[in-house]
Amino acid sequence: QVQLVQSGAEVKKPGSSVKVSCKAAAGTFRSYVMSWVRQAPGQGLEWMGGVTPMLGTTNYGQKFQGRVTITADESTRTAYMELRRLTSDDTAVYYCTRSVVVVVYGGYQYHAMDAWGQGTSVIVSS
Amino acid sequence: EIVLTQSPGTLSLSPGERVTLSCRASQSVSNNYLAWYQHKRGQTPRLLISGASIRAPGIPDRFSGSGSGTDFTLTISRLQPEDFVVYYCHQYGNSPWTFGQGTRVDIK
Repeated sequence: QVQLVQSGAEVKKPGSSVKVSCKAAAGTFRSYVMSWVRQAPGQGLEWMGGVTPMLGTTNYGQKFQGRVTITADESTRTAYMELRRLTSDDTAVYYCTRSVVVVVYGGYQYHAMDAWGQGTSVIVSS
Repeated sequence: EIVLTQSPGTLSLSPGERVTLSCRASQSVSNNYLAWYQHKRGQTPRLLISGASIRAPGIPDRFSGSGSGTDFTLTISRLQPEDFVVYYCHQYGNSPWTFGQGTRVDIK
């Protein structure tokens, strides 16, 4: 199973931005969907968005549209998630995940997220 | 976006019992791309089921998934002590992908 290694914990001020990285140790990075999922204290899992290098596409959850940017650098096998205009509600553990997309006749076949990074704690506090 | 509603929110059961968790989608999930995850406190979520009914590698056969379209279920045939945690459904068939709010399975 591919290993995803995330950057370390962050403490941020309200109104600032945070950028978290996630490096895939092996595998065909180009055929991955690299997603970001967060879990706030006492809350459930939220899919924030994902990037698919092979397709050159990025999709975002409605809640995060306009405030998050997800990118991928194939040369370093690293995905990034930048979240802007932070508030205390953004205090959470942020996970990167991997899904595989396969080219099939007539389109693409997506697989579920089967590998997760270790999580990055982001605390937003004045 | 597709809203996934899981029910019940919490269940209290005993080891050895059978449990069925429900996940209902606000619209049809394309290709039945519906997954179930188990999330233990302090760990990363674990993929149990993908494609509505395909067990992930290494997942015990007491876990099974079924359903199609808008209605999906996860069944645990005989609860083991380590199964008393939180379960999430997740759809990856329609963009943006979404999660249900989770079902917690507690020990009675």
